[in-house]
Amino acid sequence: DAKTTQPTSMDCAEGRAANLPCNHSTISGNEYVYWYRQIHSQGPQYIIHGLKNNETNEMASLIITEDRKSSTLILPHATLRDTAVYYCIVANNAGGTSYGKLTFGQGTILTVHP
Amino acid sequence: SQTIHQWPATLVQPVGSPLSLECTVEGTSNPNLYWYRQAAGRGLQLLFYSVGIGQISSEVPQNLSASRPQDRQFILSSKKLLLSDSGFYLCARQGARGDSPLHFGNGTRLTVT
Repeated sequence: DAKTTQPTSMDCAEGRAANLPCNHSTISGNEYVYWYRQIHSQGPQYIIHGLKNNETNEMASLIITEDRKSSTLILPHATLRDTAVYYCIVANNAGGTSYGKLTFGQGTILTVHP
Repeated sequence: SQTIHQWPATLVQPVGSPLSLECTVEGTSNPNLYWYRQAAGRGLQLLFYSVGIGQISSEVPQNLSASRPQDRQFILSSKKLLLSDSGFYLCARQGARGDSPLHFGNGTRLTVT
């Protein structure tokens, strides 16, 4: 799996958009970009994923650059409950020897403040 | 429902004692199931995965084993716990579609004393 680079920490004001960047310059053509977050003492929570098109769901938006070497997770209106560690992962989850082998790095600690 | 049940939530066991952690999942049949471990201050490490009943793949040689006796049941075991087995154990499931994400349970925090 390709490696990712994320800032160690970020701050965001409550109600504002939180934009979390991720670099994955060695991503291969069949690898997806996944975002998870982990609130202290809980299991990771899936947020969103995409291959090359931008994606949006009820939690967030995912913007992937045209060359796929980087992406940005956008939480449109951050709340205090969005304070968590956010993980950007690239993986080929399409079976074979790559089943669910998500490599979690150190992620970005997002702190949302009032 | 994609609910994942893990129990117990916390566990304190002495060195040398046996371990059995159970994970059951709801939802679609024949899910891919996973056991991950997160040591204190570290990232998640994949331990085992299963693509079907009785089918177990181990990612890291260790003091643990896994079994899948039923389609929606995944068990993590040890005959004799080591101090280094302490950590946060997470069960996850993956749907049938190729790019399906993993969904994690709430985990079991194991402390070996």
